[in-house]
This record gives sequence, C-alpha cells and structure tokens, in this order.
Amino acid sequence: DAGVIQSPRHEVTEMGQEVTLRCKPISGHDYLFWYRQTMMRGLELLIYFNNNVPIDDSGMPEDRFSAKMPNASFSTLKIQPSEPRDSAVYFCASRTTGYEGNTIYFGEGSWLTVV
Amino acid sequence: DQQVKQNSPSLSVQEGRISILNCDYTNSMFDYFLWYKKYPAEGPTFLISISSIKDKNEDGRFTVFLNKSAKHLSLHIVPSQPGDSAVYFCAASSREVRKLIWGLGTSLAVNP
Repeated sequence: DAGVIQSPRHEVTEMGQEVTLRCKPISGHDYLFWYRQTMMRGLELLIYFNNNVPIDDSGMPEDRFSAKMPNASFSTLKIQPSEPRDSAVYFCASRTTGYEGNTIYFGEGSWLTVV
Repeated sequence: DQQVKQNSPSLSVQEGRISILNCDYTNSMFDYFLWYKKYPAEGPTFLISISSIKDKNEDGRFTVFLNKSAKHLSLHIVPSQPGDSAVYFCAASSREVRKLIWGLGTSLAVNP
C-alpha cells in the first residue's frame, strides 16, 4: 500500500515567494496533519483536518500560512510570502478514525529552504 | 510548557548492549504512549506503543515500560544494533485531545 505522499521533497525559494507543499494521505484515512520540524522546537503540529474539515489550526504560526483540504485525497500547505525563518522540514501525516492511541503515519517530508 | 519531555538529547551505546531511552510526561489524562523512530531525510515511523492500562509492551527487541505513578516511560532496545541509530520521539495522547503531544527526541548512536 502507498504511504503518505508529499511533494516536493526539496524546495529552495527566495524570500517573498509563495511556497505550496502538497500531500496525499493514505487511502481511507480521514485525519490529516501538517507538522513542521525544527531543531529548536522539534515536531510542531501546525493544523489538522478531519473529513476534510480543519479542526485545529492553533499551531499555524501566522497569517502567512494557510492550509486546505479540498477532498479526501489531497491537501496543501501554503506560505505566502515566505521568509528565511520558515526554512524547515514539513511533514504530512494521516490516520484513521479509530482511537488506537492516535497512531499516525508520516510522509517523507518536504525540505524547505528560503534564502 | 512541555507536557512530554525527553531530557536526554543524545545517547551513545555499544553494539549488543541495551539502549534505554526515557520520557516523562506531566498530564495525567494521557492514556496512550507511542515511540517513533526517525532516520535522517525520512519521516518518523511508528515503532511501538503502550496503553495506560498496561505497564509493559514488547515487540521483538523493543520493549516499552510505563510507570504511571512516576509519569515516566522508557524504551528498551536489546540488543542494540547499528541500524537502530536514529532519533527517537516519545509521544502521548488522550481521548479528549485527539492529537499527539511530542517530546523533542533523543538521538541514539549505536557504535559497532
């Protein structure tokens, strides 16, 4: 079975440019999570969706960040305008409805560098 | 305020020996605990979990112990292998809060 698929794997962009990260969750999973990993803060939850509806976006750092999930098999995380401090690895993850300790499955990440 | 703490940023162990990674939590509402392993340039992968109704869960070389009174859990790897070298994240959840709360990770190096 295909896991969580993220694109692009690597992105280098100039400050001020728009960045769009994409995610395809595991088929049948109805929760989708966007995380950011940095050395200082570890894994930060940015936002999560349930059945395509945003449930908790309290981790989104500021208005420059936005996320959408137009259907069950696709989500985007957009940064506009991007800044050097946004450089990090962004992970998408998904899980099913059953509790099971909220075990989630991660994609391989999108490495973002803003110069 | 960190609810899940991994106080050792790094750990170095000799191949064949036991690796013990520790995790402390503050929220008594947590009822499920998970360990994830992360290799460089990859996403974290689920390793092992434990429910709060248990005090031990074993899967091959990996065993997780839970001490609820101390709000402490540990991951034991026996015997350690060089391929176990990775960053290990501890995470906790509760039925009320349907998202994982993460520690900052411990980087394990298993030396041949």
